[in-house]
Amino acid sequence: DAKTTQPNSMESNEEEPVHLPCNHSTISGTDYIHWYRQLPSQGPEYVIHGLTSNVNNRMASLAIAEDRKSSTLILHRATLRDAAVYYCILRDTLAGTYKYIFGTGTRLKVLA
Amino acid sequence: NAGVTQTPKFRILKIGQSMTLQCTQDMNHNYMYWYRQDPGMGLKLIYYSVGAGITDKGEVPNGYNVSRSTTEDFPLRLELAAPSQTSVYFCASSYSADRGPEDTQYFGPGTRLTVL
Repeated sequence: DAKTTQPNSMESNEEEPVHLPCNHSTISGTDYIHWYRQLPSQGPEYVIHGLTSNVNNRMASLAIAEDRKSSTLILHRATLRDAAVYYCILRDTLAGTYKYIFGTGTRLKVLA
Repeated sequence: NAGVTQTPKFRILKIGQSMTLQCTQDMNHNYMYWYRQDPGMGLKLIYYSVGAGITDKGEVPNGYNVSRSTTEDFPLRLELAAPSQTSVYFCASSYSADRGPEDTQYFGPGTRLTVL
C-alpha cells in the first residue's frame, strides 16, 4: 500500500498562512493526492486533490513536488474554524479495493 | 440535498447483541463505503459497494455484514457485538472511484457505538 507521512500536530496563529506537509514517497504514477479534513465530532470533508500540477480552490491550495513524493496543503489565512485533523490520502491502486488509505493526519490548532 | 445521513447518532450495546447501522444518500452515487475510526486513529474501510447488489470487503470486515438492495441505502450489520467494535462508524458515498475528480467521497456525521 502506498502510504503517507504527516506531522502529528501543528499550530498556527489566526489570519496567518499554514503549510501542512505530506510525504508519499511510494506514490504510483497515476495516484491522485487527496486532502480531507475532519472537524471535531464530524465526518471527514473534502478539501482538495491533485495529480501533478498545483491546484487552487476556494478552501485551499495544493502544491505538489515535481517528483510527486511530497505535497503541501496551504491554507492562506487560517481561521478558528480551520482547526481540524487534516488527512493526506492516496488511493490504493494495487489491490483495486477502491479505498482511501487514511493515516493519523495532522491536528491543526489555530490560536486566536 | 441532505447528502449522507446516518442513524442512530449514538448507541450502547451489550456484548453479544446485534444491531444495524443505517446509511442513506440522496446524491444518486454509485459507490458507498463504511469506515470505522478508533480513538486518535485514522479511518479504516470495513466494506464498500460499487452499486446495488454488489459489495466487497475492505481492510477490517470481520464481525460485520452489509447489503445494498437500492442505490440509496447501505446498512451495516453488527452480529454478536464485542468490545473491540467500540468505535465511531462513518458511511460515505462517491459518484465513482476511478481516481479522478469524480471520486470525491462525501461522509455522513457518524454513529458512535459503545459495546459494554
